Amino acid sequence: DAGVIQSPRHEVTEMGQEVTLRCKPISGHNSLFWYRQTMMRGLELLIYFNNNVPIDDSGMPEDRFSAKMPNASFSTLKIQPSEPRDSAVYFCASSFQQGLSGNTIYFGEGSWLTVV
Amino acid sequence: DQQVKQNSPSLSVQEGRISILNCDYTNSMFDYFLWYKKYPAEGPTFLISISSIKDKNEDGRFTVFLNKSAKHLSLHIVPSQPGDSAVYFCAASPSGSARQLTFGSGTQLTVLP
Repeated sequence: DAGVIQSPRHEVTEMGQEVTLRCKPISGHNSLFWYRQTMMRGLELLIYFNNNVPIDDSGMPEDRFSAKMPNASFSTLKIQPSEPRDSAVYFCASSFQQGLSGNTIYFGEGSWLTVV
Repeated sequence: DQQVKQNSPSLSVQEGRISILNCDYTNSMFDYFLWYKKYPAEGPTFLISISSIKDKNEDGRFTVFLNKSAKHLSLHIVPSQPGDSAVYFCAASPSGSARQLTFGSGTQLTVLP
């Protein structure tokens, strides 16, 4: 059974360039999350989709970040223009439902972004 | 303002002994708590959870204890094995809401053979 699939696994880009991270959630899951992990802030939620609709984007740091979910099997997180402080591991995660009881969030392996 | 705190960034334990990882929270609305384990270059994976109606939940070698009055939870691993070496994240949520899941900063556990 395929888990959450993210691409690219590693990305090194120059400051000012556009970065697009991709995610394929687990089939049948209707909730999708984008998280960012940094040394300073740990794991923080950037945006949450339910049934392909963005429900909560309060964690998106600034207008340079945008996320889309055009269908149930694909989501993107875009940073334009990228800055060195965006360097982090970006995780996509999905879950079957919005509640955690009897449920859990499944994470992808992460996209390691370095902006130089 | 960190609502979920893991004050020990690292912990080393001898194989076969007990590992105790601690987590404190400040938000009294949190009522569902989880532990995730993360190996290098992998995403976090769910380990064990506990609802606020319980004070203990056990799954094999892993037990989570919840002390609501102290706003404290802990994860016990007995006996510890080298394969348990990983980063452990504590997470908490109000009303069991997935989108409101707040993570701690993680504790790196190293089990020495």
